[in-house]
Formats: sequence, C-alpha cells, structure tokens
Amino acid sequence: GEQVEQRPPHLSVREGDSAVITCTYTDPNSYYFFWYKQEPGASLQLLMKVFSSTEINEGQGFTVLLNKKDKRLSLNLTAAHPGDSAAYFCAVIGQGNEKITFGAGTKLTIKP
Amino acid sequence: EAAVTQSPRNKVTVTGGNVTLSCRQTNSHNYMYWYRQDTGHGLRLIHYSYGAGNLQIGDVPDGYKATRTTQEDFFLLLELASPSQTSLYFCASSVGGAMEQYFGPGTRLTVL
Repeated sequence: GEQVEQRPPHLSVREGDSAVITCTYTDPNSYYFFWYKQEPGASLQLLMKVFSSTEINEGQGFTVLLNKKDKRLSLNLTAAHPGDSAAYFCAVIGQGNEKITFGAGTKLTIKP
Repeated sequence: EAAVTQSPRNKVTVTGGNVTLSCRQTNSHNYMYWYRQDTGHGLRLIHYSYGAGNLQIGDVPDGYKATRTTQEDFFLLLELASPSQTSLYFCASSVGGAMEQYFGPGTRLTVL
C-alpha cells in the first residue's frame, strides 16, 4: 500500500525566514494531496489541497509544489510568522483508494 | 465546513476496562473515520465506515471495534483496554472516500 515519508520531523526557523517541508510517496497513481495544520492542543485543520492536474497551489502564505515524476510534495512557507508554529501533516490519496495516507508530521517552531 | 464533535474529550481507565468513544458529524457526510495519533507515527487509521451499518477495517484495527449506528454517529469500542491504547483519538468525516477529511477535536485516552 501507499507509504508516505515526511521530512524533517522538527524544524525551527526565525520569524521572516522561509521553511520547507517535504513528503515523498510511493504510489505513482496518487492523485489528490493535502496539507493539514495542527496547532498545539488542537485538531487538524485542512490547510491546502492539490489535485495531480495542478502542480502549484498557493494560499495563506504557503505554496504547495507537486513533482509527480519524483513523487514528491512540498509545503513552502516564504515568510514565517509566530502563528505558523504548529505541526504539519501531508496526506495522499491513491487511485481507487478510499483512504488517506498521512505522513508522520513536522513540528514547525517559529523563533522571534 | 463539516461539524464533527467527539465525546468525551478526556478519559482515564484501567487495564481491562471497557471504553466507548463517540463521534457525531452533522453535515451528512457519508464517510467517517477513527484514527489514533501517537508521536512519531502521525495518524493511523483504525476503522472507517461509508454509511450506517457499514464497517471497514483500517490499518491498525487490533483491540478495537467500531459501530456506525446512523449517518451521523460513529463509535469506537475498546472492550479490554490496554496501556498500549493510550493515545489521542480523532474522528473525521468526508463526503466521499477520496475526498478531504474534516476532523473532530480529539479524545485523549489514558489506560493505566
């Protein structure tokens, strides 16, 4: 079945700096991708989603890049601010699959 | 956005105890899911359902039962709780199987 590897598990950057979180997946037929944000003590909130027909999606200060050839999904934060401190999870749906496969998560800390 | 609620929010039980976690969604979603979240593992799917009376086995089902009594209600049952089931449990729902999921606030379960 689908396996998703997410890196890094922990990331600390200064306010205003950029940050990149990357996921690689195994199923070449995967076609729907998500990023979820989980603030401390809270539930998961859908941050962004991208279909395989699009390679870039932007919003809320984030850019999602999808490289289907390398089976890699990345979440790029261009200018971090304190409210971005949270855990981030990628999630992938494969063709014909009812289930989402989640990455293990990245804890992002923004330092002043 | 889907409204997903869970109860209780916190639960402490002893080894061998009987626990029921409840989840309700009010947006008429067809699919409902139970996950556990543990550090280093991300979210792991326990059971899911695509309608009242239906149950599908997830990736880590051992020690858990589930029942979908109505479109809105999905229950997770631990009949002989063990310390290894100490975790944060999330319920989620989605319109379809291959669609984004919306999460409840979570239930923290401690098995002593």
